[in-house]
Amino acid sequence: QVQLVESGGGVVQPGRSLRLSCAASGLDFSGYGFHYFRQPPGKGLEWVAFISYDGANKYYADSVKGRFTISRDDSKNMLYLQMNSLRGEDSAVYYCATGTATYYFEYWARGTLVAVSS
Amino acid sequence: DIQMTQSPSSLSASVGGRVTISCRASQTISNYVNWYQHRPGQAPKLLIYSASTLQNGVPSRFAGGGSGTDFTLSISNLQPEDFATYFCQQTYNMPFTFGPGTTVDIK
Repeated sequence: QVQLVESGGGVVQPGRSLRLSCAASGLDFSGYGFHYFRQPPGKGLEWVAFISYDGANKYYADSVKGRFTISRDDSKNMLYLQMNSLRGEDSAVYYCATGTATYYFEYWARGTLVAVSS
Repeated sequence: DIQMTQSPSSLSASVGGRVTISCRASQTISNYVNWYQHRPGQAPKLLIYSASTLQNGVPSRFAGGGSGTDFTLSISNLQPEDFATYFCQQTYNMPFTFGPGTTVDIK
């Protein structure tokens, strides 16, 4: 049974950094690309970043490009989102997700809350 | 970016009833639409992919349709566990974008 467990969220001041972690189990981790999505309070879901199965390709939403970095450690079955220069508009519940196909996502973590506030 | 709109934003229905949620894309996206159910504090759950394919383990009372720019999610014989928020998502182009959601609550 596939399980994705997120951690690392919390309250952080504007301009500071935070690293989210997503622990995966029950799947062949190295064969999957992963996405991060987020949901700001009272708003809809939005895509944040993607990393390919081999880590060779990474894509970011314009709103986080240059500030966020997605990475993976296949030896630990771990996905990471390094978030620097955080802003109030980055406050959201963050989800890691993946799927057996590139165009739908059947595996999601429960999410971790990031609150950027002074 | 492809914009996704949904209607209605919320609706009330009775247990045993039927609801239909609409989703429209700002450009044609073939059948690259997924539908998710989301309950507070939980992970989003994939219901339908490729516009009309039921995800494994999802009850057959959920059905998706449409292609091009207009899509629907129908839920028949509503059960208590179906009262939640539903999102459509396009995966035709990155950035993958979502509709704003439709909340289905109990009448």
